[in-house]
Amino acid sequence: DTGVSQDPRHKITKRGQNVTFRCDPISEHNRLYWYRQTLGQGPEFLTYFQNEAQLEKSRLLSDRFSAERPKGSFSTLEIQRTEQGDSAMYLCASSLEGTNTEAFFGQGTRLTVV
Amino acid sequence: DAKTTQPPSMDCAEGRAANLPCNHSTISGNEYVYWYRQIHSQGPQYIIHGLKNNETNEMASLIITEDRKSSTLILPHATLRDTAVYYCIVRVGGYGQNFVFGPGTRLSVLP
Repeated sequence: DTGVSQDPRHKITKRGQNVTFRCDPISEHNRLYWYRQTLGQGPEFLTYFQNEAQLEKSRLLSDRFSAERPKGSFSTLEIQRTEQGDSAMYLCASSLEGTNTEAFFGQGTRLTVV
Repeated sequence: DAKTTQPPSMDCAEGRAANLPCNHSTISGNEYVYWYRQIHSQGPQYIIHGLKNNETNEMASLIITEDRKSSTLILPHATLRDTAVYYCIVRVGGYGQNFVFGPGTRLSVLP
């Protein structure tokens, strides 16, 4: 399967713990996006990378959220000191550069904070 | 914020064409219209996109009005597996170029 891969698919954590999610994009895609989706809502943009550069991060929800893409390939999204309101589906997508290129999404990581 | 408006829900009979409308009256000349769908608990799936000409692929057809202020996604022969939330997105140009999702249209294909 050469699609976007996310790991883990599900994560249950206790409030206050840190969590990290991984995204492996389609190999030739230089753009990588992170979204959050809560129940009944459309995906909400968080941040995106072009190669290893994080070009937009103003939409990250708080300073507890951070993302990296150190070698321009896979990316990680970390949430520190999780809160119950962080419970959501976290989606990753990748695309080639340009506005005429479709993005392909992974199946997401569902986070539950208890 | 999303630059599109869609009806919250629609029904379609199995085997019939499903026509999903989208308004994007503030679209700029270089902004593309994209359609995605999301089946319950899965990631969004790309369907089709276009600039000003009508587009067709194996999944659907996209009809964009001449003034580009609205478009229609057509699923020619809807099946039960097409039941999903359909998102119409105007991709914002410039620095971000990310996909801004609205609430979409929940399409129910009925037997």
